Amino acid sequence: KNQVEQSPQSLIILEGKNCTLQCNYTVSPFSNLRWYKQDTGRGPVSLTIMTFSENTKSNGRYTATLDADTKQSSLHITASQLSDSASYICVASLSGGYNKLIFGAGTRLAVHP
Amino acid sequence: DGGITQSPKYLFRKEGQNVTLSCEQNLNHDAMYWYRQDPGQGLRLIYYSQIVNDFQKGDIAEGYSVSREKKESFPLTVTSAQKNPTAFYLCATKAGVLAGDRYEQFFGPGTRLTVL
Repeated sequence: KNQVEQSPQSLIILEGKNCTLQCNYTVSPFSNLRWYKQDTGRGPVSLTIMTFSENTKSNGRYTATLDADTKQSSLHITASQLSDSASYICVASLSGGYNKLIFGAGTRLAVHP
Repeated sequence: DGGITQSPKYLFRKEGQNVTLSCEQNLNHDAMYWYRQDPGQGLRLIYYSQIVNDFQKGDIAEGYSVSREKKESFPLTVTSAQKNPTAFYLCATKAGVLAGDRYEQFFGPGTRLTVL
């Protein structure tokens, strides 16, 4: 069964601190791994897209890693800001067909001053 | 959110009523999608359309219907057959079938439907 699992479910950190969110996926045939940021009551916004050949991709203070062998990905947030408070969703894309996306349930991050 | 508009933002429905959620895009994207988001769960695909006048069922199509008469529009109707329609509904677009699987999906701002 194709599935994406994220941990932790929720996380609270202080402003300025770093954090790492985890994602394990069981998807076949695998095409790419995406991370989205979703503010409360809004649509998700893409942060990174990585294929199996890419180990790391950065987008400002966000750095995603991918280990295609262990089927794990992480999203590292550096020097967190209050605006980073959101849900972060890990998404695996299937290869072929219409490239179906398999969504994780997300990690809800709260950054406190 | 880009050039994707969803309306209304909030929608209340009585049991037994059909309601239609609007999704309009000005990105000139060929593919459009409807997802449902429930607390503690990942987004689930309801319907998708890769070209005008064609659409396919997703994983949870029962109780929903769509149309794709124009490239810019992909309305979703939640029918009375949908047993648990209260959820956050998201519309998304992608450049097209030939855009490849690396191309991202862009999401609209969503519509929150509540059944009273």
